[in-house]
Amino acid sequence: DTAVSQTPKYLVTQMGNDKSIKCEQNLGHDTMYWYKQDSKKFLKIMFSYNNKELIINETVPNRFSPKSPDKAHLNLHINSLELGDSAVYFCASSQTGWGETQYFGPGTRLLVL
Amino acid sequence: AQSVTQPDIHITVSEGASLELRCNYSYGATPYLFWYVQSPGQGLQLLLKYFSGDTLVQGIKGFEAEFKRSQSSFNLRKPSVHWSDAAEYFCAVGALEYGNKLVFGAGTILRVKS
Repeated sequence: DTAVSQTPKYLVTQMGNDKSIKCEQNLGHDTMYWYKQDSKKFLKIMFSYNNKELIINETVPNRFSPKSPDKAHLNLHINSLELGDSAVYFCASSQTGWGETQYFGPGTRLLVL
Repeated sequence: AQSVTQPDIHITVSEGASLELRCNYSYGATPYLFWYVQSPGQGLQLLLKYFSGDTLVQGIKGFEAEFKRSQSSFNLRKPSVHWSDAAEYFCAVGALEYGNKLVFGAGTILRVKS
């Protein structure tokens, strides 16, 4: 069974469009995250939710809006896509608490043309 | 601010040779540390982590890492590399005062030659 899943796996779209990426975890974890991995493979946290409450919000453009309908899901909506948004977006989850391991999804490869 | 440095962007080793990937961190508190591996086109898989206690930790696939507080390092080692170990390796660090936020290093690409 897939622990952390993301859809879609690949996403190719035009500049200016709005798109969403979905993430689901079946691990029973309380905390979920979105990371962005740029073309140089640098991985940086964007958001974190704990029990549907936003707890980490790094310096991310307002065009990015996470939504957590329940603690097993964390979706990422991106408005007015720009070329610089092209990246791989990873969802992760963990139990809440210090030192807990984060489990990553397979990633969504977004290409903005 | 917290930071993680992986000094080696690429490392090439022969199959069967030993491996050490370096990771240095800068944190104000007691950190917890991870090593993840990413195969091409895949997500990140946890190799091992250090939380507290014994500073030498064992992970999956024959990897181990040693936490050295005096050197602010958490280097990953494997005594004998297999061709299937070719991947990108990421060191990540967190700290209590930063909650569950992890900071990742830039990664080290491992190439294995036969």
